[in-house]
Amino acid sequence: GAGVSQSPSNKVTEKGKDVELRCDPISGHTALYWYRQSLGQGLEFLIYFQGNSAPDKSGLPSDRFSAERTGGSVSTLTIQRTQQEDSAVYLCASSFGGREGGYTFGSGTRLTVV
Amino acid sequence: AQSVTQLGSHVSVSEGALVLLRCNYSSSVPPYLFWYVQYPNQGLQLLLKYTSAATLVKGINGFEAEFKKSETSFHLTKPSAHMSDAAEYFCAVWGGTALIFGKGTTLSVSS
Repeated sequence: GAGVSQSPSNKVTEKGKDVELRCDPISGHTALYWYRQSLGQGLEFLIYFQGNSAPDKSGLPSDRFSAERTGGSVSTLTIQRTQQEDSAVYLCASSFGGREGGYTFGSGTRLTVV
Repeated sequence: AQSVTQLGSHVSVSEGALVLLRCNYSSSVPPYLFWYVQYPNQGLQLLLKYTSAATLVKGINGFEAEFKKSETSFHLTKPSAHMSDAAEYFCAVWGGTALIFGKGTTLSVSS
């Protein structure tokens, strides 16, 4: 597609349930990033994929969070046993990689844990 | 380690007034710096970037930013605010593998 596509746009889930968030990056972009945006907290880096290299998982806040990227394209962020503090907007971005290009962001998934 | 600090979580200006959004960075290497804008219920959009070429960088929608190494600053300006500029603005620095973002500044524009 022309842009980064994220689904669902909104997700309400009960505490303790697992959720999956999907990101479809721009075709040809080798780098894919997940960020979490909480009110007043800016964007928190979660995980980074570059081509076929091992992902940089240094930003994942707990072992309840995981992500995968299949075929170098679509990525899924999974949150297990959701907690209320997981409520946030989850943003995905893609790029050609490297430090100069900047990212193209998707519109995000707003996750609400009740 | 790299970081950015945005001074002022909320800035209010009148339509037609100067916009100044402040960003200071910390970096152990020559920084690559970015400004992004986020409109309500949308993702972030790149406004401009500094990648060690010209210190005065021009971006979209009439915004520009000046890299000042001596002040470790990368402030965003626009000579005349429009109502459509109301949004949240994020400063970011390249952190080695990913961008590190500030906490954002919400810009309000009144008529």
